[in-house]
Amino acid sequence: EAGVAQSPRYKIIEKRQSVAFWCNPISGHATLYWYQQILGQGPKLLIQFQNNGVVDDSQLPKDRFSAERLKGVDSTLKIQPAKLEDSAVYLCASSLSSGNYEQYFGPGTRLTVT
Amino acid sequence: GENVEQHPSTLSVQEGDSAVIKCTYSDSASNYFPWYKQELGKGPQLIIDIRSNVGEKKDQRIAVTLNKTAKHFSLHITETQPEDSAVYFCAASRSGNNNDMRFGAGTRLTVKP
Repeated sequence: EAGVAQSPRYKIIEKRQSVAFWCNPISGHATLYWYQQILGQGPKLLIQFQNNGVVDDSQLPKDRFSAERLKGVDSTLKIQPAKLEDSAVYLCASSLSSGNYEQYFGPGTRLTVT
Repeated sequence: GENVEQHPSTLSVQEGDSAVIKCTYSDSASNYFPWYKQELGKGPQLIIDIRSNVGEKKDQRIAVTLNKTAKHFSLHITETQPEDSAVYFCAASRSGNNNDMRFGAGTRLTVKP
């Protein structure tokens, strides 16, 4: 079974630029999550989708972050404009459904904002 | 909201020894407690979980214990091997939905051969 795919793996941008991350979840998984993991910390949930609808985006900084999952499969997370404090690893995860089902994480995208 | 604290932040053991990582949580309504292992350059991977109706769960060399009264839970790894070296995260959730899950800050375990 293929795992969660993410791209790019690494990205370096200057502050005030924009960036987009892509995630392809495990086939058949209805729920998709985006996490932000700052160095030395645990993952923090940014947004959770159930199929193509948003379940929870309460911790997403909506003035600069946006995410979509238009067809209920792939998802993109965008930051515009980026700030220095956005430097982190952005993890995508998926699970069968929205309960306490096992989350399968992708390898993440390491973002450096200079 | 939920706050999860994890100790120690780093742990070094000799191969074959046991390792114990402890977490405390603040929300007494939390009822699901997973543990994740994160190797360098990879995403976290679930290794074991426990629900609040169980006090202990074991899977080969890994065990987790839960003390609901004291609001703490622990990961125990016996007969450690170099491939156990990684960062381990505990987490807690109350809603039956992963969207309120809160992670600890992580423990970097090093197993010396």
